[in-house]
Amino acid sequence: KQEVTQIPAALSVPEGENLVLNCSFTDSAIYNLQWFRQDPGKGLTSLLLIQSSQREQTSGRLNASLDKSSGRSTLYIAASQPGDSATYLCAVGLNNNDMRFGAGTRLTVKP
Amino acid sequence: GAVVSQHPSRVICKSGTSVKIECRSLDFQATTMFWYRQFPKQSLMLMATSNEGSKATYEQGVEKDKFLINHASLTLSTLTVTSAHPEDSSFYICSARDSSLVGELFFGEGSRLTVL
Repeated sequence: KQEVTQIPAALSVPEGENLVLNCSFTDSAIYNLQWFRQDPGKGLTSLLLIQSSQREQTSGRLNASLDKSSGRSTLYIAASQPGDSATYLCAVGLNNNDMRFGAGTRLTVKP
Repeated sequence: GAVVSQHPSRVICKSGTSVKIECRSLDFQATTMFWYRQFPKQSLMLMATSNEGSKATYEQGVEKDKFLINHASLTLSTLTVTSAHPEDSSFYICSARDSSLVGELFFGEGSRLTVL
């Protein structure tokens, strides 16, 4: 059974700092991995999607990496801003229909 | 990115009533949509996979008679919580996959259900 773990559960950093969020999964046979952002009481916004054959994806200040062999993915946020404060969720796709979510990392960026 | 609209965003109802939540893909067709439930400070738990024109596939432990799912068109899936009870109070989120964007899921804004 695929289990997805995100560490830390919460993170607080000063504005401008670079940071890394971690996601680990137990079964390396994944279809893809997707990072989402969730603001309080809101739905999920897709940030980056990494296919199983890819090693990383970049979008603006965000960079996500994938290492299937070690069961890990990281989300790197450069030059963090208060507007980046949200919960970040990692989701592992088992196939085209089934995804398993981590519990998320709650990020606070202080001005 | 693709847009998924969910309605209503908030609903309060009395115990015993039924509540319908709609999930629409606005600018793409979705043969498959997903319904999730999220408790406070917890991650999303998949409830069921909604397939256009056929019966939904429910996850283990989810009562299909309690959570009725209908996916009558390529852009609309509905979740009906029947005879709602306070323990059904939760945040319900739908998602849809754009078949032209391999594997990427897009989510609705979620619906906060409070059963009194």
